[in-house]
Amino acid sequence: ETGVTQSPTHLIKTRGQQVTLRCSSQSGHNTVSWYQQALGQGPQFIFQYYREEENGRGNFPPRFSGLQFPNYSSELNVNALELDDSALYLCASSFTSGGEQFFGPGTRLTVL
Amino acid sequence: QKEVEQNSGPLSVPEGAIASLNCTYSDRGSQSFFWYRQYSGKSPELIMFIYSNGDKEDGRFTAQLNKASQYVSLLIRDSQPSDSATYLCAATGANNLFFGTGTRLTVIP
Repeated sequence: ETGVTQSPTHLIKTRGQQVTLRCSSQSGHNTVSWYQQALGQGPQFIFQYYREEENGRGNFPPRFSGLQFPNYSSELNVNALELDDSALYLCASSFTSGGEQFFGPGTRLTVL
Repeated sequence: QKEVEQNSGPLSVPEGAIASLNCTYSDRGSQSFFWYRQYSGKSPELIMFIYSNGDKEDGRFTAQLNKASQYVSLLIRDSQPSDSATYLCAATGANNLFFGTGTRLTVIP
């Protein structure tokens, strides 16, 4: 059974740029949730995708957007990067929308 | 605003002792509760979940839930240095998890 994978591992961007982060869900899981974790904080919910549809969104601006593909992998896109976007971005997959969530290794984004 | 609160610690216990981690939550609608362990620089790893009042045991770990008090705890028996990490408590929302800021645990050999 393949676990949750994310790419890239690390990323450095400058303010105003755009970034795309990728996630492959665990085998058999159809739900992907994205979280942002700032240093010293708990993960904050960005949004969730269930069967290719957005299924809930946290308190993040529209410049945070996402996609889920037919194979249930997912992308997180962030436009007009700001310094405060520097964080660990976590993808979690689950068998169902409300089920146990298993996290990938994360992508560390640094915005300069 | 749905919140999960944890004592940020740090909590230090000697090797072999019992570590007790606590969490309170604000949303009475939360149905399930999760404990994740996060090593420095790594992603959270699911340790246990609980959804019924009472205790749930898994090896050295025991999760406790009291819905009336909106309180969740995690006990780690026979603590090992490898248990040193940040422990995150999470409660379910409509389709997501609300996390606390985590409690940093250090087990002293």
